[in-house]
Amino acid sequence: EIVLTQSPVTLSLSPGERATLSCRASQSVSSYLAWYQQKPGQAPRILIFDASNRATGIPARFSGSGSGTDFTLTISGLEPQDSAVYYCQHRSNWPPVSTFGPGTKVDIK
Amino acid sequence: QVPLQGSGPGLVKPSETLSLTCIVSGGSMNSVYWSWIRQPPGKELQWIAYIDNRGSITYNPSLKSRVTISVDTSKNQFSLTLSSVTAADTAVYYCARDPGAPVHAVDIWGQGTMVTVSS
Repeated sequence: EIVLTQSPVTLSLSPGERATLSCRASQSVSSYLAWYQQKPGQAPRILIFDASNRATGIPARFSGSGSGTDFTLTISGLEPQDSAVYYCQHRSNWPPVSTFGPGTKVDIK
Repeated sequence: QVPLQGSGPGLVKPSETLSLTCIVSGGSMNSVYWSWIRQPPGKELQWIAYIDNRGSITYNPSLKSRVTISVDTSKNQFSLTLSSVTAADTAVYYCARDPGAPVHAVDIWGQGTMVTVSS
């Protein structure tokens, strides 16, 4: 069973700064890694799929990188509405099995 | 877009069975994975199961013994049952769509159904 670890637990930054979020897998997941944003009381929203592909409608300030076991979500030029919890997820190709990381909370001061 | 609308009882008694249904509005149910994901209050997301239109299923091993997932393409819906519930099953339950390759992720989420397990 693949385990995803996210760091840091919480990130507190100012508007305009850059956020760097990490997701580490217990074994290689190739590029099968997605990132989601979840705001309080809302369902998650997909940001990035297959490690580095932005989902439809996602601003260019969100970018993903990595492969194998180490992945990064970068948010450049933070805006107040970026305050949220960010989750990474691995979904294996076949059979489809999924696991989520514990999340990183981003606070915009 | 293919909006998803989950529904089911908000309160279930311990040891009973939780049943939820998700209506898929518009679009085809073919060639994608339909999923249930839950989130206990204040906690992280937990994947429960996937099903495709042919009825091929994968389960989270930690829940497999208590979970049943089914699909009815004639009614454009899929369903979840979770048996022998306890307070630990209290969560928001999301129905979701994973379009398959090359996305390998959930691109559409339902609004979430809060289920409380309590006597």
